[in-house]
Amino acid sequence: GENVEQHPSTLSVQEGDSAVIKCTYSDSASNYFPWYKQELGKRPQLIIDIRSNVGEKKDQRIAVTLNKTAKHFSLHITETQPEDSAVYFCAAGDSGGGADGLTFGKGTHLIIQP
Amino acid sequence: DAGVIQSPRHEVTEMGQEVTLRCKPISGHNSLFWYRQTMMRGLELLIYFNNNVPIDDSGMPEDRFSAKMPNASFSTLKIQPSEPRDSAVYFCASCMGLAVTGELFFGEGSRLTVL
Repeated sequence: GENVEQHPSTLSVQEGDSAVIKCTYSDSASNYFPWYKQELGKRPQLIIDIRSNVGEKKDQRIAVTLNKTAKHFSLHITETQPEDSAVYFCAAGDSGGGADGLTFGKGTHLIIQP
Repeated sequence: DAGVIQSPRHEVTEMGQEVTLRCKPISGHNSLFWYRQTMMRGLELLIYFNNNVPIDDSGMPEDRFSAKMPNASFSTLKIQPSEPRDSAVYFCASCMGLAVTGELFFGEGSRLTVL
């Protein structure tokens, strides 16, 4: 099955700086890579996703990049704000009709220092 | 739509007791997932249903865990007998489609504490 590794487990950055979270995956069949944000005590919610036919996707202050050859993908948050503080999960899955659900990384606790 | 609805939100029970967690997916979604979240292991997929049929239960930790989906609007996850190591937040999630092709909508979670 799929194995997703996520780093770092904790990331502390100054408000206004950029944050980068990296993930690797093992199954070359995976072609869908979403990122979920979970605020303290809340449910995980999708913030951005990328499919294997593109290498980069951007939505305002967040962007994701994907390197299929190396089997890694990253989340970039620019101009960080206090409300960005949360746990971020990467995930990998096969959207081609396979029976598997998403496999999540263990999460990164992002702390934005004022 | 009210989103994915889970109950109970919190459950505290004693070791050996039976625990039943409930989930109502978003209307029209035909895939339903049960995840377990702990600090040590993150979000783990326990079981996945499509059109009410269990597709992948390889994540169910052991025979003490069972899940059912008797109809498109209701699923249960049962632990019998419960053990302290089962303490976790259990999330139900739903989406459209056979596999995960888009957003996975999570419920608020059920926080289980087994004493």
